[in-house]
Amino acid sequence: EAGVTQFPSHSVIEKGQTVTLRCDPISGHDNLYWYRRVMGKEIKFLLHFVKESKQDESGMPNNRFLAERTGGTYSTLKVQPAELEDSGVYFCASSHLYEQFFGPGTRLTVL
Amino acid sequence: GQNIDQPTEMTATEGAIVQINCTYQTSGFNGLFWYQQHAGEAPTFLSYNVLDGLEEKGRFSSFLSRSKGYSYLLLKELQMKDSASYLCAVGGSQGNLIFGKGTKLSVKP
Repeated sequence: EAGVTQFPSHSVIEKGQTVTLRCDPISGHDNLYWYRRVMGKEIKFLLHFVKESKQDESGMPNNRFLAERTGGTYSTLKVQPAELEDSGVYFCASSHLYEQFFGPGTRLTVL
Repeated sequence: GQNIDQPTEMTATEGAIVQINCTYQTSGFNGLFWYQQHAGEAPTFLSYNVLDGLEEKGRFSSFLSRSKGYSYLLLKELQMKDSASYLCAVGGSQGNLIFGKGTKLSVKP
């Protein structure tokens, strides 16, 4: 069974540019989560989808972040325009029940 | 507020036993999770405690005391490959995970 995959693995952009991160969850998992780890800090929750619906987006930092999950399959997280403080590792996780399976993350660097 | 504390770093010897402690104060509680994360890789699930007591799974055991807001992860018969970060996380009321900063464990020969 394929695990959670994320694309790209690394992204380096300039401040003000747009970046879109993609997450493909494990097939059949209705729950999809986005998290972010800023250097030196803990992994922090961003938002939670159940199928295509946003269940909880209380962790989204501001309106420069937009997440979608069209058709309840893969999800995208767009940052527009990117700021320096958006640098970090963005993790996606999916679950059927309580155990969340994490992807390898996308390392985003904003210069 | 949400607060999860665990030691930043620990060192142990191959073959030994190590206990990684975690204390938490959170507004919601849907279980206590432990994840292992090797550098540059995805966190992988180790254990889940929702009731008080000890859960054993091979060389790894996890303990929970909800009244004390306390958990520990016990690793026995340490191997070099156990060198990694160990993340304590509390399940939030909406299904999300609330993480501590992680404990970096170094296993020496």
